[in-house]
Amino acid sequence: SQQGEEDPQALSIQEGENATMNCSYKTSINNLQWYRQNSGRGLVHLILIRSNEREKHSGRLRVTLDTSKKSSSLLITASRAADTASYFCATDTGRRALTFGSGTRLQVQP
Amino acid sequence: EAGVAQSPRYKIIEKRQSVAFWCNPISGHATLYWYQQILGQGPKLLIQFQNNGVVDDSQLPKDRFSAERLKGVDSTLKIQPAKLEDSAVYLCASSSYRGLAYEQYFGPGTRLTVT
Repeated sequence: SQQGEEDPQALSIQEGENATMNCSYKTSINNLQWYRQNSGRGLVHLILIRSNEREKHSGRLRVTLDTSKKSSSLLITASRAADTASYFCATDTGRRALTFGSGTRLQVQP
Repeated sequence: EAGVAQSPRYKIIEKRQSVAFWCNPISGHATLYWYQQILGQGPKLLIQFQNNGVVDDSQLPKDRFSAERLKGVDSTLKIQPAKLEDSAVYLCASSSYRGLAYEQYFGPGTRLTVT
């Protein structure tokens, strides 16, 4: 079963705008990770946030985590056409295998 | 460092045929995973290896799927016989445990079409 569920399922924005994706999960976690998947490719790790962290930054990425609401958000600032991809959240519950959500498909229009 | 290698990249077979996928993880990574990703969905874990041993195969359809990891390095995933619903991308990933957290490195995947 899917542990994480992303919202929205699809998002279309103009280049330069910010993109926000949300992830909700069901059980307690050790950490939550975000991955990007370009069409026809494997997944690429973007950022990891531990359960005792509330916010983390990496370049144009900002991730927040609210363990009380069991939710996380990924913000991509100043989006580029190259950011067009599917974005997945994945939760680590301590079993050492990640459980992925269904993904948000982001389209950045040039 | 070299990434996770998978082959073949694409495979088309008829239902009831058999197929095998190969994965070579990043050197030194003890943990290897096989995921199934159906179009429009996130990856679903099929099996997880720690060195030679199986850690989790609870979601592997064992009546038709099998996997092995000889010598704790390369791994093969086999489907026999294939069904139409096995059409998906099969992703291999590996990880190296770092402290209390880890990240997984994915190969490009094998896209399987069962007709």
